[in-house]
Amino acid sequence: AQTVTQSQPEMSVQEAETVTLSCTYDTSESDYYLFWYKQPPSRQMILVIRQEAYKQQNATENRFSVNFQKAAKSFSLKISDSQLGDAAMYFCAYQHGSSNTGKLIFGQGTTLQVKP
Amino acid sequence: NAGVTQTPKFQVLKTGQSMTLQCAQDMNHEYMSWYRQDPGMGLRLIHYSVGAGITDQGEVPNGYNVSRSTTEDFPLRLLSAAPSQTSVYFCASSYTGTGVTEAFFGQGTRLTVV
Repeated sequence: AQTVTQSQPEMSVQEAETVTLSCTYDTSESDYYLFWYKQPPSRQMILVIRQEAYKQQNATENRFSVNFQKAAKSFSLKISDSQLGDAAMYFCAYQHGSSNTGKLIFGQGTTLQVKP
Repeated sequence: NAGVTQTPKFQVLKTGQSMTLQCAQDMNHEYMSWYRQDPGMGLRLIHYSVGAGITDQGEVPNGYNVSRSTTEDFPLRLLSAAPSQTSVYFCASSYTGTGVTEAFFGQGTRLTVV
């Protein structure tokens, strides 16, 4: 069975600085997707970034980028120029590709605090 | 464009009561899922559906029932509420295209069982 592990329950960063959130996963599949979701206090789940396993290039979305290490099964999220609005819980998630059913497997979450 | 709509947003139940959490999506997505979120455990899959009339169990299905009679609706039924079912519940719908997939979440239901 696939598993996703986020080993940092809490992280903090100074405004305008850079922070990296860690995520590792375990799977025997070769076709899958990885995601980072943001959950602010409003509870809404917001997709931050998506990575397809078949793509070697790391995904980027504005200030958000990932370091996807397929062999090491690592998928970290880097937030550059951190802003107060980035404060939230962040979830790493895995989805199987070829037999897709829409099911997501989530990590435990990392709470990010942004200090002014 | 409503997306995924969950009702209610908050609910308090007494042990042994039953209730249905409603979920509706207007994006014609084939896949729908229910998750529960508990502190330190992330979101865990309860039940999911790959289309109308087709449902299956996820990681934590006990005590919950689902059905999917239409593409739009995917209600979650708590048969006899227990304090262990106190949690935040999320419904999600998703699509898959060529090399693309994305899930859309409802705003969640905070359920307390006393």
